[in-house]
Amino acid sequence: GQSLEQPSEVTAVEGAIVQINCTYQTSGFYGLSWYQQHDGGAPTFLSYNALDGLEETGRFSSFLSRSDSYGYLLLQELQMKDSASYFCAVRDATGTASKLTFGTGTRLQVTL
Amino acid sequence: DTEVTQTPKHLVMGMTNKKSLKCEQHMGHRAMYWYKQKAKKPPELMFVYSYEKLSINESVPSRFSPECPNSSLLNLHLHALQPEDSALYLCASSPDLGNTGELFFGEGSRLTVL
Repeated sequence: GQSLEQPSEVTAVEGAIVQINCTYQTSGFYGLSWYQQHDGGAPTFLSYNALDGLEETGRFSSFLSRSDSYGYLLLQELQMKDSASYFCAVRDATGTASKLTFGTGTRLQVTL
Repeated sequence: DTEVTQTPKHLVMGMTNKKSLKCEQHMGHRAMYWYKQKAKKPPELMFVYSYEKLSINESVPSRFSPECPNSSLLNLHLHALQPEDSALYLCASSPDLGNTGELFFGEGSRLTVL
């Protein structure tokens, strides 16, 4: 089975940097995705890491260490609109389509 | 068109009713997904369709019946549901069978079972 753990809540001030960690235990692993979900909204894709290292997309970066079964999402220059829930998700390939299993989620609160 | 459209947005049904949720995408994606999400919880995978064929069923009770009539449409037929089935049902699609970890989600159908 799959198990992905994240901190339940993180609070940071506007303009700061925050890191959201994700540790996973999986039977199959092809990559780690990150999604953002605002209250009442749909999850939206942020990034994907299949290989070890850092991927940067604007203010967001994501890191993966396959040997440590660990990844993180780094959000820089925080803005109020970044207040949302963030989910890591493990990609496992089964059959002809991938399967994404989501982590427990981290609720980020950005304050003034 | 880069949207996944779900209807209805809200649905209230009794335990003896039969209803359906509908999902549509016109992005040419060949994999489509149903997820269930309870409040303050992560989305939980229910079904995956690949090239209009059921690829993954996560041991979902038979009172949920998926259908993929064509490459743009995905339905979820509901029958004899329980109050604990009340949740947000999210449909998603992926452009490359999910190989880049990117799913496009619809806004969801919020279901209440009385």
